[in-house]
Amino acid sequence: QSVLTQPPSVSGAPGQRVTISCTGSSSNIGAGYDVHWYQQLPGTAPKLLIYDNINRPSGIPDRFSGSRSGTSASLAITGLQAEDEADYHCQSYDSRLGGFVVFGGGTKLAVL
Amino acid sequence: QVQLQESGPGLVKPSETLSLTCTVSGGSMSDYYWTWIRQPAGKGLEWIGRIYSSGDTNYNPSLKSRVTMSLDTSKNHFSLRLTSVTAADAALYYCARDPDGSGYDDYWGQGTLVTVSS
Repeated sequence: QSVLTQPPSVSGAPGQRVTISCTGSSSNIGAGYDVHWYQQLPGTAPKLLIYDNINRPSGIPDRFSGSRSGTSASLAITGLQAEDEADYHCQSYDSRLGGFVVFGGGTKLAVL
Repeated sequence: QVQLQESGPGLVKPSETLSLTCTVSGGSMSDYYWTWIRQPAGKGLEWIGRIYSSGDTNYNPSLKSRVTMSLDTSKNHFSLRLTSVTAADAALYYCARDPDGSGYDDYWGQGTLVTVSS
């Protein structure tokens, strides 16, 4: 049971826009801790996609964007491409029990 | 370009200790946090803990009683020890770098698979 909740799967057609939600609580996202997103292509290590809610590392296309509001965050992907088919993970910090980093359960994106 | 490479036994017996090392190349270990994350087959990511270059550690409360992390900046590596392993500890183990302590990891190793079996 992950501390952050993501939908198990989402799908979209090429060119469409999809969003992936990440729901937390008052001890993590709701407490103002930043949310980060990773893309994990099949058989590879996760790759940082969005950090500190809205920032893209160098080389990440602006088709990927992040947002945070209240106890939730979202990742949006516009102009969906076949190569975007992957697992997406959200991450934040939780203040309970001395504080630790938490992940969502991951969302599998299918490009139809 | 910073690179990380995990190494260690791929098979550990139940009740024994899992030991992994992550070798860092292409950059200094100083002033960074170094993280261990694992992923059971077909499941999501689980943060195990991190160690700062000073040696300060922060562990996942669910694993804290069994986890020890250490580092040797002179040898450019850091290590993970997980005691009393069970089948639930079988996973792909990743090491990674957290650049500023805010929790995100910008560089990752390729991962090493650990199986728990007698």
